Amino acid sequence: AQSVAQPEDQVNVAEGNPLTVKCTYSVSGNPYLFWYVQYPNRGLQFLLKYITGDNLVKGSYGFEAEFNKSQTSFHLKKPSALVSDSALYFCAVRGTYTGGFKTIFGAGTRLFVKA
Amino acid sequence: GAGVSQSPRYKVTKRGQDVALRCDPISGHVSLYWYRQALGQGPEFLTYFNYEAQQDKSGLPNDRFSAERPEGSISTLTIQRTEQRDSAMYRCASSPRGTGTWNEQFFGPGTRLTVL
Repeated sequence: AQSVAQPEDQVNVAEGNPLTVKCTYSVSGNPYLFWYVQYPNRGLQFLLKYITGDNLVKGSYGFEAEFNKSQTSFHLKKPSALVSDSALYFCAVRGTYTGGFKTIFGAGTRLFVKA
Repeated sequence: GAGVSQSPRYKVTKRGQDVALRCDPISGHVSLYWYRQALGQGPEFLTYFNYEAQQDKSGLPNDRFSAERPEGSISTLTIQRTEQRDSAMYRCASSPRGTGTWNEQFFGPGTRLTVL
């Protein structure tokens, strides 16, 4: 069965410091991996995705994520956090060999960036 | 351009009533998804349409839930005989291409359903 784990409910970081939001997954076949961000009272917005190729993918707003197949992880990173990065972040996965079109989302990690 | 829109944004209903939630995807988007999101949780997949065809309804929790997309554009999620446990945020998302699962999804603002 497919699953996504975001082990941290909340991540606190000071502005200007690097941030990491963790995600691990379990799928059948090769994974398609996504990060989405949700700001208050708004829908989810796409940040970045890993399909194939280079393990380090770059996305919107200076975010990047590293795919690690051996650790089945896809952690979201940013070298220097901004207060405006404070939001709810969701990791999502879709396996290539599972039936249907289900995308599985993690429970979310709330990021607080303190000025 | 216009994003995904959903209506109503808020719906309060009494237990036992039927509700219909509407999703208007981005123009030209082939794929349409419905999700349910409980407070403090990630979106939970309900169903998927490719054009007007409902290709996956494995996430619909029971037969009180149904969805349609008759002309391959606007979609309606209907919940019959609502129960309090149906209270949640219902989100719609669309994607520009068909069954390619590597495409990112564009989410609407959601409909907050409260069943009293």
